[in-house]
Amino acid sequence: NAGVTQTPKFQVLKTGQSMTLQCAQDMNHEYMSWYRQDPGMGLRLIHYSVGAGITDQGEVPNGYNVSRSTTEDFPLRLLSAAPSQTSVYFCASSYEWVGGNEQFFGPGTRLTVL
Amino acid sequence: AQKVTQAQTEISVVEKEDVTLDCVYETRDTTYYLFWYKQPPSGELVFLIRRNSFDEQNEISGRYSWNFQKSTSSFNFTITASQVVDSAVYFCALSEAANRDDKIIFGKGTRLHILP
Repeated sequence: NAGVTQTPKFQVLKTGQSMTLQCAQDMNHEYMSWYRQDPGMGLRLIHYSVGAGITDQGEVPNGYNVSRSTTEDFPLRLLSAAPSQTSVYFCASSYEWVGGNEQFFGPGTRLTVL
Repeated sequence: AQKVTQAQTEISVVEKEDVTLDCVYETRDTTYYLFWYKQPPSGELVFLIRRNSFDEQNEISGRYSWNFQKSTSSFNFTITASQVVDSAVYFCALSEAANRDDKIIFGKGTRLHILP
């Protein structure tokens, strides 16, 4: 099993550009989520999904879109990148409801917006 | 509203010393889950432990131990005889069970330096 994979590992964007961060898991997990990690801020939840076709907002959803068309994939879209979105992004998955299960994290994507 | 406070931003200890990382949480639920995750310098996040609110037994795993006290809303993590490989950022997290709202809140983390 590859676990949770994320691509790309590094990305530099210019303000206003759009892009999609890819996340995939091969563990047949129902729950997937996206976090951003900023210095001194810990991990903050952006969006999450409890299953294919179901998504919801987390703590900091503005400027990001998600969709969940399959159990395996959960891409995160930046519609119009801003310098405030410079961060490290982590995708995570768990078997089902996050409260009762450990989350498995991807290796992260380091995004810089100029 | 749920909240997790890790008051210690950064700690440095000399190898072989014991060190305790504090975690204080706030929740209105009677049923909730607490977690600790480790983020070593390589950057990945690794699950360490999950504890539900009905299980106040302390847990020990090798050199790691966790002290859960509902009376003080704390879930502290102790490393005994620390080693350089324990150097990492440690995150405490909380998930409330009411309505199964599927959100987990992380503290801001404690960066631990183990000095050789």
